[in-house]
Amino acid sequence: NAGVTQTPKFRILKIGQSMTLQCTQDMNHNYMYWYRQDPGMGLKLIYYSVGAGITDKGEVPNGYNVSRSTTEDFPLRLELAAPSQTSVYFCASTDGSGRGETQYFGPGTRLLVL
Amino acid sequence: GEDVEQSLFLSVREGDSSVINCTYTDSSSTYLYWYKQEPGAGLQLLTYIFSNMDMKQDQRLTVLLNKKDKHLSLRIADTQTGDSAIYFCAESISNTGTASKLTFGTGTRLQVTL
Repeated sequence: NAGVTQTPKFRILKIGQSMTLQCTQDMNHNYMYWYRQDPGMGLKLIYYSVGAGITDKGEVPNGYNVSRSTTEDFPLRLELAAPSQTSVYFCASTDGSGRGETQYFGPGTRLLVL
Repeated sequence: GEDVEQSLFLSVREGDSSVINCTYTDSSSTYLYWYKQEPGAGLQLLTYIFSNMDMKQDQRLTVLLNKKDKHLSLRIADTQTGDSAIYFCAESISNTGTASKLTFGTGTRLQVTL
């Protein structure tokens, strides 16, 4: 049981390049989330999904896209990378029980846009 | 609106108690959480408290909730060097069938000295 896995661990992008951050969970969780964490800040929600085929915007969705074709995978797409997207990205999942549910976090992807 | 505030830094001696404080603004929060983030890692849930509780104890951890003042604290008894990390409080609004979304504080860096 690997929990939530993310790839890559670290990436450097040039301005205008695109990339996909991968996230997979093996806990059969319906709810999945993407957060970004800027230095010295808390986590900001980018997008989330309540199940396969259903996604919705979070607090800071601009410049990102997501898809959820399966329960396990929730990739995050950056189409035109900008320096403001330099951050650490965390994927999380939960069973959605709503009773003090635990959000399980991946180890993060550190992205540097130059 | 939702806003969660924490002090940025706390230094304690090994063996002493640590108290990390958090204030939140959304009175409709149903669950409040404490997460721990070690260097280079994702967030790990430490404990949570339901909004109709005043206190919750879990081994060395004690959570106190003052709903009137919207104040949450985490006390770590007999603090150890392994407790050195960043601690985030987070609030969750009642799950009404949609994804339970968390609002995170900025995090408190706990430094444990010998």
